[in-house]
Formats: sequence, structure tokens, C-alpha cells
Amino acid sequence: SQTIHQWPATLVQPVGSPLSLECTVEGTSNPNLYWYRQAAGRGLQLLFYSVGIGQISSEVPQNLSASRPQDRQFILSSKKLLLSDSGFYLCAWGTSEPQHFGDGTRLSIL
Amino acid sequence: QQQVKQSPQSLIVQKGGISIINCAYENTAFDYFPWYQQFPGKGPALLIAIRPDVSEKKEGRFTISFNKSAKQFSLHIMDSQPGDSATYFCAASPHRYSGAGSYQLTFGKGTKLSVIP
Repeated sequence: SQTIHQWPATLVQPVGSPLSLECTVEGTSNPNLYWYRQAAGRGLQLLFYSVGIGQISSEVPQNLSASRPQDRQFILSSKKLLLSDSGFYLCAWGTSEPQHFGDGTRLSIL
Repeated sequence: QQQVKQSPQSLIVQKGGISIINCAYENTAFDYFPWYQQFPGKGPALLIAIRPDVSEKKEGRFTISFNKSAKQFSLHIMDSQPGDSATYFCAASPHRYSGAGSYQLTFGKGTKLSVIP
């Protein structure tokens, strides 16, 4: 069966520090991969998606970037975090419908 | 045109009652409508989904009703239980593969359901 892993579960970072969140999927090949950010009371905002290795599409221009170095690995990065980057970050995968989510990373910026 | 509007924002239901959450969409290209359930500190989990070729789908105590002409769909939770207390999201996506970016879900803003004993 397919599983999705995200780490870390929680992260506290100072403003201006770099960020790297990792997501891996097991049990499937060539999945579509997605990064979402969830803010309280605002639903899920799609940040990036990828349909293959090295293929990244950005939905919202911002301080973040994404990379897909391997078929089942998706990384969310930032060179310098802003206070506004705080939130709950979710990775998801799907080969068609539906999308399946990981348990997220709670990111707090100090 | 990409929005999915969800209501109410929060809902309190007595144990054993019926919980009803409504969503409306504008984009006629949407062809797949899932509902997700999210508990605190966890990612959303798929609960039930429907395509517009049927007007209703039932799985256990959960039912989706779909009105294609009105571009509305709703989630009904029968015999609501305290364990159903969670945030529920409706979503929609176009079905037909159209290249990069397909199967993108547009989410409603969520409904926080509290079922009281």
C-alpha cells in the first residue's frame, strides 16, 4: 500500500534562517506531488506541484521554492524565512484522483 | 471562477443529530468533488467523493448530495458522533487530464464541526 511521510512534524525557526521540508512517498511510481500551506480559517493553499522529476510548477509567487530530485521525493525550501511563512505545510500525492495527504509540518517563525 | 465556497464556517450538533455542510462552485469544468476530514495536527483524509453523473453517494453515515444545475453539493453526516468532531473540507477538480497541473484540487475554507454529547 502507498504511504506518505513528512518531516519534521514541528519546526521552530528564526526569521532569516533557511528551510528544508522533505516529503517522500512509498508504494507508487511517478506520482503527482503537491505542497500546500494551511493557515487557520483559510483552507488549503496550493503552493507547488510536480508531475515528474525536475518539473515544478508554482501557484503562488513567494519566498519559497520546491524541488523534486527523485521520483518520490519532494522538498520545500527557503533561503530566508519570513514571519509570514509560519503555518502548517502539507505534502500530498496522487496518480489521478484523489490526493492523499501527509500529516504535515507545523512551522513557527520567531 | 476557481472558487469553492463552503458554509457554515463552524457547526455545533447534538450527538445523534444530522450535520449538514454545503459547498458551491462556479467552474463548470469541475468534474470530481471529494470531501476531506481533518483532525487537529493531522493531514486531511479523504472521506467520500462524487462525480456529477450521480446525484447522491452514501458511505455508511456519510452522504454526498450533488445538484449539477445549481452547482452545489453537500455533505450529510447522519447520527453524528463526538468522534466526528473535526474540520471538513469540500474540494473540486477537473477530471480530464489536460497536461501539467491536472487534478489540482480547489478547496473550500473548511467547516469546524463539534458534536456535543
